[in-house]
Amino acid sequence: AQSVTQPDIHITVSEGASLELRCNYSYGATPYLFWYVQSPGQGLQLLLKYFSGDTLVQGIKGFEAEFKRSQSSFNLRKPSVHWSDAAEYFCAVAGGDGNKLVFGAGTILRVKS
Amino acid sequence: DGGITQSPKYLFRKEGQNVTLSCEQNLNHDAMYWYRQDPGQGLRLIYYSQIVNDFQKGDIAEGYSVSREKKESFPLTVTSAQKNPTAFYLCASSDRAGGLADTQYFGPGTRLTVL
Repeated sequence: AQSVTQPDIHITVSEGASLELRCNYSYGATPYLFWYVQSPGQGLQLLLKYFSGDTLVQGIKGFEAEFKRSQSSFNLRKPSVHWSDAAEYFCAVAGGDGNKLVFGAGTILRVKS
Repeated sequence: DGGITQSPKYLFRKEGQNVTLSCEQNLNHDAMYWYRQDPGQGLRLIYYSQIVNDFQKGDIAEGYSVSREKKESFPLTVTSAQKNPTAFYLCASSDRAGGLADTQYFGPGTRLTVL
């Protein structure tokens, strides 16, 4: 069965600094990988997804992620963080019956000014 | 505007009562999903439906029930058998049933609190 690990529960970065959120997955076949963002009390918004092709994926709001099969990772990056990026970020892998999404536990991003 | 609506946003229930959470989508999506979110645990799949009049259990279906009588609607009932129902519930939909690369779009969620 597929699984996702997000090693960092909380991360704090200064506004304008770069950001990298880690995601490791376990899945036997070619993974379909997603990053979602959630503001407090809200639903999830898709940032980007990977399912084939170029291993560097561009998303919305200036985010990008790199798929590294050898490391089973799909880390999310942003070169310069804005205060509005403060939220919870979820990595997910799709697979199995019914387009099932398996989520990591999430990483809460705090941005300090 | 196309999207997913969930109602109510906040819901309070006494122990021993059943309660139904609404999820409606006007995206013409085939598949719909219910997730439960608890702090520090991410989202866990409760039920999903790939087509009208059909649905399957997810990872934590015990104490929950669903129906899919219309393509646009997928209500979730939290029954009194659910031991710890206080949580944030998220509904999602995707375009093609069984399409692994298809994006799931999420509603705004319902926060259920058992008093």
